Amino acid sequence: DAGVTQSPTHLIKTRGQQVTLRCSPKSGHDTVSWYQQALGQGPQFIFQYYEEEERQRGNFPDRFSGHQFPNYSSELNVNALLLGDSALYLCASSLGLNTNQPQHFGDGTRLSIL
Amino acid sequence: DQQVKQNSPSLSVQEGRISILNCDYTNSMFDYFLWYKKYPAEGPTFLISISSIKDKNEDGRFTVFLNKSAKHLSLHIVPSQPGDSAVYFCAALTRRYNNNDMRFGAGTRLTVKP
Repeated sequence: DAGVTQSPTHLIKTRGQQVTLRCSPKSGHDTVSWYQQALGQGPQFIFQYYEEEERQRGNFPDRFSGHQFPNYSSELNVNALLLGDSALYLCASSLGLNTNQPQHFGDGTRLSIL
Repeated sequence: DQQVKQNSPSLSVQEGRISILNCDYTNSMFDYFLWYKKYPAEGPTFLISISSIKDKNEDGRFTVFLNKSAKHLSLHIVPSQPGDSAVYFCAALTRRYNNNDMRFGAGTRLTVKP
């Protein structure tokens, strides 16, 4: 039973570049959420995708966008990268939008901006 | 706005003793609370949760207590084991409004000494 998988594990970019991070949900899950975890802080909710649509969004600028594919996998895109975007990006999956089941997290993508 | 706060960045306890991790929240709309455990280089792993209609939930060595009037919850680990050494995150949701924007505290690093 495959858990949540994220790729790549590490990534180095420079300011102004664009990046795409990928996530495959746990088998049987259809909802994907993305979080940003800065050093020394807890994860912050970016947005959630269900049925290939963005269903909810946290307090992040439009530079952060996403996509969900018919197989439930998801991408997080960040444009015009800033130094402050350096963080661990976590993907979490769950079943449905309103469920008693907790979200399952992947191991994250560590993004460093130079 | 930090709606979930974990005021102790670190906690050290002796193996076999009780570990008590604390969490405070400010948003009275939160109705579901979770604890996640995170090892280095891994994603957060769900540990235990509690609905706002309860004041206690127990799962083996782990018990979560909720005091709604004080907007405070705590995680008790008894007895503590060296393998419990990790960062523990408290998280909160407003489930009754289908709000899946999960808010996390900054985490408490627990060290259990043999």
